[in-house]
Amino acid sequence: DVKVTQSSRYLVKRTGEKVFLECVQDMDHENMFWYRQDPGLGLRLIYFSYDVKMKEKGDIPEGYSVSREKKERFSLILESASTNQTSMYLCASSEGTGGEKLFFGSGTQLSVL
Amino acid sequence: EDQVTQSPEALRLQEGESSSLNCSYTVSGLRGLFWYRQDPGKGPEFLFTLYSAGEEKEKERLKATLTKKESFLHITAPKPEDSATYLCAVQAWAGGYNKLIFGAGTRLAVHP
Repeated sequence: DVKVTQSSRYLVKRTGEKVFLECVQDMDHENMFWYRQDPGLGLRLIYFSYDVKMKEKGDIPEGYSVSREKKERFSLILESASTNQTSMYLCASSEGTGGEKLFFGSGTQLSVL
Repeated sequence: EDQVTQSPEALRLQEGESSSLNCSYTVSGLRGLFWYRQDPGKGPEFLFTLYSAGEEKEKERLKATLTKKESFLHITAPKPEDSATYLCAVQAWAGGYNKLIFGAGTRLAVHP
């Protein structure tokens, strides 16, 4: 069974902390994505990657960075967490170049206090 | 501006009461429309892809249809286990890559 695993289900961090969200997929997919999900706003794309060591900005990249050192792992980094980054973060992977059929992880609910 | 709007925001049905969810979109160069189901505390799960107006897809009690401006997710004789948030997304060309634009979702509650 295909799987996208996010390292933490819940995280509580302080303002100004550096935060790492980890995501691993076991489907050998080329493409990986980070979204955030906020009530009433839908999913918004933060960053995506089509290959190892490659990254592209999505719609809301400000305040975030990413790392993809290995094909199966895609990390989202909040360099200095702020309260407006409190959200549900979802990682996804796909075979296609546009995320045609995305496989999502269960999400990380991040609270920044 | 590319946009996806889902309605209603929330829908409460009695078991067996059929209804439809709507997804309207404005996007240049539609490349596909997707429906996902999201259960509380979980990530979205893929349901359907539709590529052209007139296309229909079915899965159990769900049927998705597509026109040039909107898509409907019809739920026939729903059961409590159909309770979830249903997300619609359109795939569009973003000047260099394909991107998915998600709607805010419809929260469906089916009561026995």
